[in-house]
This record gives sequence, C-alpha cells and structure tokens, in this order.
Amino acid sequence: AQSVTQPDIHITVSEGASLELRCNYSYGATPYLFWYVQSPGQGLQLLLKYFSGDTLVQGIKGFEAEFKRSQSSFNLRKPSVHWSDAAEYFCAVGPAFTGGGNKLTFGTGTQLKVEL
Amino acid sequence: GAVVSQHPSWVICKSGTSVKIECRSLDFQATTMFWYRQFPKQSLMLMATSNEGSKATYEQGVEKDKFLINHASLTLSTLTVTSAHPEDSSFYICSARGVGTVTSGDWTGPYEQYFGPGTRLTVT
Repeated sequence: AQSVTQPDIHITVSEGASLELRCNYSYGATPYLFWYVQSPGQGLQLLLKYFSGDTLVQGIKGFEAEFKRSQSSFNLRKPSVHWSDAAEYFCAVGPAFTGGGNKLTFGTGTQLKVEL
Repeated sequence: GAVVSQHPSWVICKSGTSVKIECRSLDFQATTMFWYRQFPKQSLMLMATSNEGSKATYEQGVEKDKFLINHASLTLSTLTVTSAHPEDSSFYICSARGVGTVTSGDWTGPYEQYFGPGTRLTVT
C-alpha cells in the first residue's frame, strides 16, 4: 500500500532563513509526487509536482523539491522564507501511469510558522 | 485556467437534515472528481471517486448511503450528506481531473487534480 510520511508536524523558522520540509514515501511503482500548500480555511494550492525527468523541480513562490529515488524522498526547500509562507504543507503521492485513477495519498502535513 | 469552485463555502445545518455541496470545474471538463474530508489539523482523507455518468467509487469505511455523490456532467459533481449528525461536521474538499492525458518526454499520465476551496460543514 502506498503511504506518505511527513516526520515534522510543526516547524518554526525565522523570516529570511532557509527551509526544508521532509517527505518520505512508500510506493510500489513509479510515483507521481506533489507538494501542496493550504492556508487556514482554504483549499489546496499546488506548489510543484514531479513525474519524470530532472529530479530537481521548481515550483511557484520560490519553492523547489528534489526527488531522490534511493531515499524514497521528495523534500521541499526554499532558500529564504517569507512571513506569507506560514501555512500547512502537504506532500502527496499518486500513480504515474494512465488509468491509475490518480488517487492521491496525502501525508499528515507540516505546519510552518514564520517568526518575524 | 484550471479553476475549481465549491458551493457553499460554509454551511450550518441541524442534525437530521440533509445538505448538498457542489463542486464545479469552471474552465475545463472533468471526467473524474474526487471528494475528500479533512478534520481539524489533519490530512485529507479520500472519501470517493466520482466519474461522470457512472456510480461513484467509495473508499473503505465511507457510507455510500450517507454520502451521496452525483456526477451528472463534465463540470459538476455534488456531495449530499444525508441525515447529518454532529460527527459529520468537517471540511469537505473536492478536486477535479481533466480529460485525457499529458505527456512529458517518455512519460504519459493523467492530468493532475485541481482542488476546490473547500466547504466547512457544521451540524448542530
């Protein structure tokens, strides 16, 4: 069965500092990986996704993520955090093939707090 | 592009009544829509997968007679919570997946899901 682990429930960083949010997945086939951000009371916004090619993917709002197959990881990074980045971040995995239904499995999320 | 809306954004209903939540893809056709439930400070749990013109597929543990899903067109899916009880209070989020496939290099797969803003349901 597929699963996603986000080991850090809460992370606090100072504005301007770098950020790394961890994500490990377990999946029996080639994964389709996502990072989403959710502000309080809002839906999910896609930050970036990976399904093939360059293992370092760039997303919106200055975020990037690196897929490491050997470590089953897809960690999210940002070189300099802004106060507006405070939100909940979810990593998700799904099937990367046609007809897979595109059912996503989400991690439990990491709550990011930014100190001014 | 790829905007998904939900209506209402929040609703309060009395125990025992039914409430309908709409999910619309505004600028694309969605053969498949997904309904998720999210409890406070928890992750999203998939409730069901809705395909246009066919019956929804429910995840294990989700009561299909309680959570009625209809996907009557390529742009609209509805979730009706029947005989709602306080334990049904939650944040319900839908997502929609576009028609066809996307190709990048030697990989071809389904389009990604686009999420709606969510509906906060409170049952009193």
